[in-house]
Amino acid sequence: KAGVTQTPRYLIKTRGQQVTLSCSPISGHRSVSWYQQTPGQGLQFLFEYFSETQRNKGNFPGRFSGRQFSNSRSEMNVSTLELGDSALYLCASSLGTGKQPQHFGDGTRLSIL
Amino acid sequence: QKEVEQNSGPLSVPEGAIASLNCTYSDRGSQSFFWYRQYSGKSPELIMFIYSNGDKEDGRFTAQLNKASQYVSLLIRDSQPSDSATYLCAVSPPGNTGNQFYFGTGTSLTVIP
Repeated sequence: KAGVTQTPRYLIKTRGQQVTLSCSPISGHRSVSWYQQTPGQGLQFLFEYFSETQRNKGNFPGRFSGRQFSNSRSEMNVSTLELGDSALYLCASSLGTGKQPQHFGDGTRLSIL
Repeated sequence: QKEVEQNSGPLSVPEGAIASLNCTYSDRGSQSFFWYRQYSGKSPELIMFIYSNGDKEDGRFTAQLNKASQYVSLLIRDSQPSDSATYLCAVSPPGNTGNQFYFGTGTSLTVIP
């Protein structure tokens, strides 16, 4: 069974640009969560999508947005990039019913110049 | 106060010893608890999850949950150098209709050969 796939693995952008990251969950998983990981802050929850609807949202500015498609694949968009957005962005999928374990993809490392 | 707190370490144990990792959480109603292992430069990997008070064993790993004291721990028996990694504790908050997790900042474990 294929795991969670995130693309691209690495991205380099400049301030002010926008970026879109993609996540394909494990087959059969309907919940997709996004996290930002930085050395100082650890894993910070961005949002969770289930059946194409945002079900939970963390404490991030509106520049961070996401969506989920009918096949459960999800995208995350960050607009007007700032230096502080440099981080590892992780996607995790789960069945989504009840408090199910989440399984992580390899992440996208975003660097802002 | 952070929702989930872990001692950042580093924690060093000799090969073959028992490594004990601890995690406390602030929300008394939390019901689902997860331990992840993260190697440097890699994404988090699920090790164990526990929902009920008491111990849950899986091979060399034992998760212990004490809801009254609001802590969850992970014991690694017969520690191996390959266990050297950062261990993340995750908690699913109560009253959450989705699958949102709060993560601790992790404990760095080094197993010395």
